[in-house]
Amino acid sequence: DQQVKQNSPSLSVQEGRISILNCDYTNSMFDYFLWYKKYPAEGPTFLISISSIKDKNEDGRFTVFLNKSAKHLSLHIVPSQPGDSAVYFCAASVQVGQGAQKLVFGQGTRLTINP
Amino acid sequence: GAVVSQHPSRVICKSGTSVKIECRSLDFQATTMFWYRQFPKKSLMLMATSNEGSKATYEQGVEKDKFLINHASLTLSTLTVTSAHPEDSSFYICSAREPGRVVAQYFGPGTRLLVL
Repeated sequence: DQQVKQNSPSLSVQEGRISILNCDYTNSMFDYFLWYKKYPAEGPTFLISISSIKDKNEDGRFTVFLNKSAKHLSLHIVPSQPGDSAVYFCAASVQVGQGAQKLVFGQGTRLTINP
Repeated sequence: GAVVSQHPSRVICKSGTSVKIECRSLDFQATTMFWYRQFPKKSLMLMATSNEGSKATYEQGVEKDKFLINHASLTLSTLTVTSAHPEDSSFYICSAREPGRVVAQYFGPGTRLLVL
């Protein structure tokens, strides 16, 4: 059961334009959502997060939007830069009892920024 | 952000041997660390949650006797793949949550395991 889904395996965007990465989820108990960036043979790097009680969080070129009614979130990168080319993972956090928490990851979207 | 290291970065071993992977939090103490596995072009799958001073919590379908986890100190967790087989070949990644951070986990660089 894939609780976090990134339906686009890849996305190509021209440098300077906006990149929009999408993520859908099914579990209404998720309390935080996060975006990670990953290069090949490296661990994911944390980018930005959003609480389930918010609908927007912005950090520099990165903005995450959350639509709880649609169980959908998106990451906007503007302007896109060549260094943004990587695989982006959407992750959701859920409490699993006694203060423990775990992350559930989507399948990832490979973003390519074209010069 | 917080720094998490992993060692080794790459290991090749013969089938039937055991391999130990270390995960260290370099600039903070982590009471909880996490071990993930990533198959090619797939998502990160949580294998287990490593708790300092207590037993690890394994996800459904992960063999605890196959993947031994020890969280001996607040900065070190180890994953031992026992009696490794070719199907255990994968990219193993650990993470830790920095104290005071609400939920974000910081990941190590990963370990590529190839079992021949």
